Amino acid sequence: EPEVTQTPSHQVTQMGQEVILRCVPISNHLYFYWYRQILGQKVEFLVSFYNNEISEKSEIFDDQFSVERPDGSNFTLKIRSTKLEDSAMYFCASMGGADTQYFGPGTRLTVL
Amino acid sequence: GENVEQHPSTLSVQEGDSAVIKCTYSDSASNYFPWYKQELGKGPQLIIDIRSNVGEKKDQRIAVTLNKTAKHFSLHITETQPEDSAVYFCAADFSSGSARQLTFGSGTQLTVLP
Repeated sequence: EPEVTQTPSHQVTQMGQEVILRCVPISNHLYFYWYRQILGQKVEFLVSFYNNEISEKSEIFDDQFSVERPDGSNFTLKIRSTKLEDSAMYFCASMGGADTQYFGPGTRLTVL
Repeated sequence: GENVEQHPSTLSVQEGDSAVIKCTYSDSASNYFPWYKQELGKGPQLIIDIRSNVGEKKDQRIAVTLNKTAKHFSLHITETQPEDSAVYFCAADFSSGSARQLTFGSGTQLTVLP
């Protein structure tokens, strides 16, 4: 069964550093998403991406965040200058033509 | 604003009993309601979903009911087993476009006691 994959599984970085989180969505899916989950809290929407551009973004997704689909398979989330409060699990998801979003296993980001 | 409330936050049941988790939502325009199961250290996995044109959907031991008038939907797990222990999230799609955007509830930690 096809699945969404994410790398790395755990990323540790110093405050102020840039990080790039990588995702490989399910092939032939057209919609891509990033969500985050701070420890013990609910999953929060960050951004959706379709047809090579951002469709919607939440207020969390400020100028420090960017997304890119650099080739036909990868989908990345970049945080330019990490803050302590960016520490969270980041989940990538993808969706085909129907409504169902499939989530990856997540990247745990720890900002020191 | 758009919001999904989920109750209870924790639920313990004996193996073989039923478990019910309830959610309410704020925006009556929402038309898609998935339920996700999250095991420790893993991403959310879709277990069942329902669209606003139906009131109930069942898949083996799992069922979801939707009451659009009251703006609430519920997850029912029958004949619970220890492997059902996990955090369950309800969600609703409040977006108007095709890209979809899920708003999640706060989660329910379900523990099935053997």
